[in-house]
Amino acid sequence: NAGVMQNPRHLVRRRGQEARLRCSPMKGHSHVYWYRQLPEEGLKFMVYLQKENIIDESGMPKERFSAEFPKEGPSILRIQQVVRGDSAAYFCASSPVASGTDNSPLHFGNGTRLTVT
Amino acid sequence: AQSVAQPEDQVNVAEGNPLTVKCTYSVSGNPYLFWYVQYPNRGLQFLLKYITGDNLVKGSYGFEAEFNKSQTSFHLKKPSALVSDSALYFCAVRDRGYSTLTFGKGTMLLVSP
Repeated sequence: NAGVMQNPRHLVRRRGQEARLRCSPMKGHSHVYWYRQLPEEGLKFMVYLQKENIIDESGMPKERFSAEFPKEGPSILRIQQVVRGDSAAYFCASSPVASGTDNSPLHFGNGTRLTVT
Repeated sequence: AQSVAQPEDQVNVAEGNPLTVKCTYSVSGNPYLFWYVQYPNRGLQFLLKYITGDNLVKGSYGFEAEFNKSQTSFHLKKPSALVSDSALYFCAVRDRGYSTLTFGKGTMLLVSP
């Protein structure tokens, strides 16, 4: 049973370009969470999605960032017009049901390391 | 609101000695508490969780954690450290009224031979 798959592992973008990060959850998991990891700041929650729905986007910056989890295909985190401050590791996690309804641990992917030059 | 504090950026311990990585939390209700470990260039791996019941929780790789409600703490422990335990450790909390986990900043554990 494949784990959470994220691609690409490394992504380099110039300032002003768009970054698209992909996440395929574990088989049977329909809940996806995106986190950003910055040095000295730890892991920060960004957005929680279920298939075709955004459940909680309280951690998403108001501009340039968007996320989706379509009925078919992976979840996508999109960053438009990237700036140097967007450089970070972005992690996706999945769970079989909403983490608010049971306590199954989150399963994390290996992350995408975004570098903005 | 829910929050987690890991007061130590780094913990150093000699192989074979006991280790403790500290975590305190703040929630408005009853907490669900978790420990995860991250190895270089990898995602987080689940170690253990406290939901209810026995305050001492045992997890993977010989780790355990003790829930202390009065001190709002959930310290991670291991009786005898291994060099291979060297990694970044994250404590996380979820208030029973929330749907997402809040993580601490992480504590780097370095075990010397």
